[in-house]
Amino acid sequence: NAGVTQTPKFQVLKTGQSMTLQCAQDMNHEYMSWYRQDPGMGLRLIHYSVGAGITDQGEVPNGYNVSRSTTEDFPLRLLSAAPSQTSVYFCASSYSYSTMGTGISGANVLTFGAGSRLTVL
Amino acid sequence: RKEVEQDPGPFNVPEGATVAFNCTYSNSASQSFFWYRQDCRKEPKLLMSVYSSGNEDGRFTAQLNRASQYISLLIRDSKLSDSATYLCVSPRNSNSGYALNFGKGTSLLVTP
Repeated sequence: NAGVTQTPKFQVLKTGQSMTLQCAQDMNHEYMSWYRQDPGMGLRLIHYSVGAGITDQGEVPNGYNVSRSTTEDFPLRLLSAAPSQTSVYFCASSYSYSTMGTGISGANVLTFGAGSRLTVL
Repeated sequence: RKEVEQDPGPFNVPEGATVAFNCTYSNSASQSFFWYRQDCRKEPKLLMSVYSSGNEDGRFTAQLNRASQYISLLIRDSKLSDSATYLCVSPRNSNSGYALNFGKGTSLLVTP
Protein backbone atom coordinates (compact mmCIF):
# COMPACT_ATOMS: atom_id res chain seq x y z
CA ASN A 1 0.00 0.00 0.00
CA ALA A 2 1.86 3.07 -1.27
CA GLY A 3 -0.39 5.71 0.34
CA VAL A 4 0.21 9.13 -1.22
CA THR A 5 2.93 9.34 -3.87
CA GLN A 6 4.38 12.66 -5.04
CA THR A 7 6.72 13.25 -7.94
CA PRO A 8 9.21 14.74 -8.45
CA LYS A 9 10.89 14.93 -5.05
CA PHE A 10 13.13 17.80 -6.16
CA GLN A 11 12.86 20.29 -9.01
CA VAL A 12 14.69 23.43 -10.05
CA LEU A 13 12.93 25.79 -12.43
CA LYS A 14 13.74 29.09 -14.05
CA THR A 15 11.37 32.01 -13.68
CA GLY A 16 8.56 31.74 -16.20
CA GLN A 17 8.78 28.01 -16.75
CA SER A 18 5.76 25.83 -16.14
CA MET A 19 5.61 22.41 -14.59
CA THR A 20 3.27 19.90 -12.98
CA LEU A 21 3.68 18.28 -9.58
CA GLN A 22 2.09 14.87 -9.60
CA CYS A 23 0.14 13.34 -6.73
CA ALA A 24 -1.48 9.92 -6.61
CA GLN A 25 -3.15 8.00 -3.80
CA ASP A 26 -4.24 4.37 -3.69
CA MET A 27 -6.47 4.51 -0.60
CA ASN A 28 -9.68 5.44 -2.44
CA HIS A 29 -9.87 8.68 -0.47
CA GLU A 30 -12.43 11.20 -1.63
CA TYR A 31 -10.58 14.30 -0.47
CA MET A 32 -7.25 15.49 -1.79
CA SER A 33 -5.37 18.73 -1.25
CA TRP A 34 -2.16 20.60 -1.90
CA TYR A 35 -0.25 22.57 0.74
CA ARG A 36 2.90 24.59 0.60
CA GLN A 37 5.24 24.93 3.56
CA ASP A 38 7.57 27.87 3.96
CA PRO A 39 9.87 28.74 6.87
CA GLY A 40 8.02 30.80 9.45
CA MET A 41 4.70 30.44 7.60
CA GLY A 42 3.56 26.94 8.39
CA LEU A 43 1.42 24.88 6.05
CA ARG A 44 -0.92 26.81 3.77
CA LEU A 45 -3.68 25.30 1.66
CA ILE A 46 -3.38 25.95 -2.09
CA HIS A 47 -6.23 23.96 -3.65
CA TYR A 48 -8.37 21.05 -2.62
CA SER A 49 -10.84 18.56 -4.08
CA VAL A 50 -13.72 16.74 -2.45
CA GLY A 51 -14.12 14.28 -5.30
CA ALA A 52 -13.45 13.63 -8.97
CA GLY A 53 -14.45 16.63 -11.05
CA ILE A 54 -14.69 18.98 -8.05
CA THR A 55 -11.96 21.40 -7.01
CA ASP A 56 -11.85 24.58 -4.98
CA GLN A 57 -9.39 27.23 -3.94
CA GLY A 58 -7.63 27.32 -0.64
CA GLU A 59 -5.74 30.07 1.11
CA VAL A 60 -3.02 30.76 -1.50
CA PRO A 61 -4.29 29.64 -4.95
CA ASN A 62 -2.77 32.31 -7.19
CA GLY A 63 -0.30 30.97 -9.74
CA TYR A 64 -1.51 27.38 -9.44
CA ASN A 65 -4.06 25.24 -11.26
CA VAL A 66 -5.49 21.85 -10.37
CA SER A 67 -7.82 19.29 -11.86
CA ARG A 68 -9.26 16.03 -10.56
CA SER A 69 -10.24 13.73 -13.40
CA THR A 70 -9.92 10.55 -11.31
CA THR A 71 -10.23 9.70 -7.63
CA GLU A 72 -6.57 8.69 -7.53
CA ASP A 73 -4.80 11.66 -9.11
CA PHE A 74 -4.59 15.34 -8.22
CA PRO A 75 -1.85 17.17 -10.15
CA LEU A 76 -0.77 20.72 -9.30
CA ARG A 77 0.28 22.93 -12.19
CA LEU A 78 2.52 25.97 -11.90
CA LEU A 79 1.60 28.16 -14.83
CA SER A 80 4.57 30.54 -14.88
CA ALA A 81 6.97 29.87 -12.04
CA ALA A 82 8.11 32.75 -9.84
CA PRO A 83 10.80 32.83 -7.12
CA SER A 84 8.01 33.32 -4.57
CA GLN A 85 6.86 29.79 -5.38
CA THR A 86 10.08 28.31 -4.04
CA SER A 87 8.74 26.04 -1.33
CA VAL A 88 8.09 22.52 -0.18
CA TYR A 89 4.82 21.21 -1.55
CA PHE A 90 2.79 18.50 0.16
CA CYS A 91 -0.11 16.60 -1.29
CA ALA A 92 -2.56 15.06 1.18
CA SER A 93 -5.62 12.86 1.04
CA SER A 94 -8.36 11.94 3.48
CA TYR A 95 -11.69 10.14 3.66
CA SER A 96 -15.06 11.67 4.27
CA TYR A 97 -16.76 9.67 7.00
CA SER A 98 -17.35 11.04 10.47
CA THR A 99 -16.84 9.16 13.68
CA MET A 100 -20.28 9.43 15.21
CA GLY A 101 -20.46 11.26 18.50
CA THR A 102 -16.88 12.44 18.53
CA GLY A 103 -17.05 15.29 16.09
CA ILE A 104 -13.97 13.88 14.43
CA SER A 105 -14.33 14.09 10.68
CA GLY A 106 -12.26 11.73 8.61
CA ALA A 107 -11.76 14.65 6.26
CA ASN A 108 -9.41 16.15 8.83
CA VAL A 109 -7.24 13.05 9.21
CA LEU A 110 -4.73 13.73 6.48
CA THR A 111 -2.25 11.34 4.93
CA PHE A 112 0.56 13.35 3.39
CA GLY A 113 2.92 12.54 0.58
CA ALA A 114 6.67 12.83 1.17
CA GLY A 115 6.82 16.30 -0.34
CA SER A 116 8.25 17.98 -3.42
CA ARG A 117 10.99 20.57 -2.96
CA LEU A 118 10.79 23.22 -5.63
CA THR A 119 13.33 25.96 -6.26
CA VAL A 120 12.58 28.73 -8.74
CA LEU A 121 15.60 30.76 -9.84
CA ARG B 1 -5.03 37.23 14.43
CA LYS B 2 -3.95 33.89 13.04
CA GLU B 3 -6.56 31.17 13.54
CA VAL B 4 -4.15 28.83 15.32
CA GLU B 5 -1.19 30.12 17.33
CA GLN B 6 1.66 28.15 18.82
CA ASP B 7 4.86 29.00 20.63
CA PRO B 8 7.55 28.08 18.10
CA GLY B 9 10.05 27.10 20.79
CA PRO B 10 12.46 25.43 20.56
CA PHE B 11 11.81 23.46 23.69
CA ASN B 12 15.02 21.76 24.80
CA VAL B 13 14.39 19.06 27.41
CA PRO B 14 16.44 16.15 28.79
CA GLU B 15 15.41 12.57 28.26
CA GLY B 16 12.78 11.49 30.76
CA ALA B 17 11.39 14.97 31.27
CA THR B 18 7.75 15.97 30.92
CA VAL B 19 7.03 18.75 28.46
CA ALA B 20 3.82 20.52 27.50
CA PHE B 21 2.90 22.69 24.53
CA ASN B 22 -0.09 24.97 24.25
CA CYS B 23 -1.98 26.06 21.19
CA THR B 24 -4.67 28.75 21.05
CA TYR B 25 -7.41 28.91 18.45
CA SER B 26 -9.74 31.72 17.43
CA ASN B 27 -12.75 29.85 15.98
CA SER B 28 -14.92 29.12 19.01
CA ALA B 29 -17.19 26.93 16.86
CA SER B 30 -14.44 24.39 16.12
CA GLN B 31 -15.41 20.98 17.44
CA SER B 32 -12.31 18.88 17.04
CA PHE B 33 -8.60 19.46 17.00
CA PHE B 34 -5.51 17.57 16.01
CA TRP B 35 -1.83 17.33 16.75
CA TYR B 36 0.42 16.35 13.86
CA ARG B 37 4.09 15.51 14.21
CA GLN B 38 6.63 16.52 11.59
CA ASP B 39 10.19 15.25 11.58
CA CYS B 40 12.90 17.31 9.94
CA ARG B 41 12.47 17.38 6.16
CA LYS B 42 9.60 14.87 6.32
CA GLU B 43 5.87 15.06 5.89
CA PRO B 44 3.48 15.72 8.80
CA LYS B 45 1.84 12.68 10.36
CA LEU B 46 -1.21 12.55 12.61
CA LEU B 47 -0.28 12.13 16.26
CA MET B 48 -3.56 12.60 18.10
CA SER B 49 -7.06 13.99 17.79
CA VAL B 50 -9.07 15.59 20.58
CA TYR B 51 -12.78 16.30 20.69
CA SER B 52 -14.07 16.35 24.23
CA SER B 53 -11.97 17.36 27.21
CA GLY B 54 -9.01 15.22 26.32
CA ASN B 55 -7.41 12.16 24.84
CA GLU B 56 -4.56 9.98 26.06
CA ASP B 57 -2.33 7.64 24.10
CA GLY B 58 0.55 6.15 26.03
CA ARG B 59 2.96 8.91 26.99
CA PHE B 60 0.96 11.53 25.09
CA THR B 61 -2.04 13.43 26.42
CA ALA B 62 -3.99 16.05 24.50
CA GLN B 63 -6.38 18.29 26.40
CA LEU B 64 -8.97 20.77 25.23
CA ASN B 65 -10.11 23.84 27.14
CA ARG B 66 -13.03 25.35 25.26
CA ALA B 67 -13.59 28.18 27.73
CA SER B 68 -10.09 29.52 27.16
CA GLN B 69 -9.87 28.26 23.59
CA TYR B 70 -6.65 26.33 23.82
CA ILE B 71 -5.46 22.80 23.43
CA SER B 72 -2.37 21.32 24.96
CA LEU B 73 -0.10 18.39 24.28
CA LEU B 74 1.70 16.75 27.19
CA ILE B 75 4.56 14.35 26.61
CA ARG B 76 5.71 12.32 29.59
CA ASP B 77 9.03 10.48 29.89
CA SER B 78 10.45 12.17 26.80
CA LYS B 79 12.50 10.04 24.41
CA LEU B 80 15.17 11.16 21.98
CA SER B 81 12.83 10.01 19.21
CA ASP B 82 10.24 12.57 20.31
CA SER B 83 12.42 15.32 18.83
CA ALA B 84 10.28 16.84 16.09
CA THR B 85 8.00 19.76 15.30
CA TYR B 86 4.46 19.45 16.62
CA LEU B 87 1.71 21.09 14.58
CA CYS B 88 -1.60 22.15 16.10
CA VAL B 89 -4.52 21.89 13.67
CA SER B 90 -8.14 22.95 13.73
CA PRO B 91 -10.88 22.77 11.07
CA ARG B 92 -11.84 26.07 9.51
CA ASN B 93 -15.53 26.01 10.26
CA SER B 94 -17.91 24.60 12.81
CA ASN B 95 -19.17 21.65 10.80
CA SER B 96 -15.69 20.16 10.42
CA GLY B 97 -15.52 21.10 6.80
CA TYR B 98 -12.52 20.10 4.84
CA ALA B 99 -10.18 23.08 5.12
CA LEU B 100 -7.76 23.00 8.01
CA ASN B 101 -5.83 25.67 9.84
CA PHE B 102 -2.30 24.64 10.72
CA GLY B 103 -0.26 26.32 13.40
CA LYS B 104 3.34 27.12 12.56
CA GLY B 105 4.54 24.37 14.84
CA THR B 106 6.43 23.97 18.09
CA SER B 107 9.93 22.55 17.89
CA LEU B 108 11.00 19.99 20.50
CA LEU B 109 14.55 18.78 21.02
CA VAL B 110 15.09 15.99 23.52
CA THR B 111 18.72 15.70 24.61
CA PRO B 112 20.60 12.79 26.22
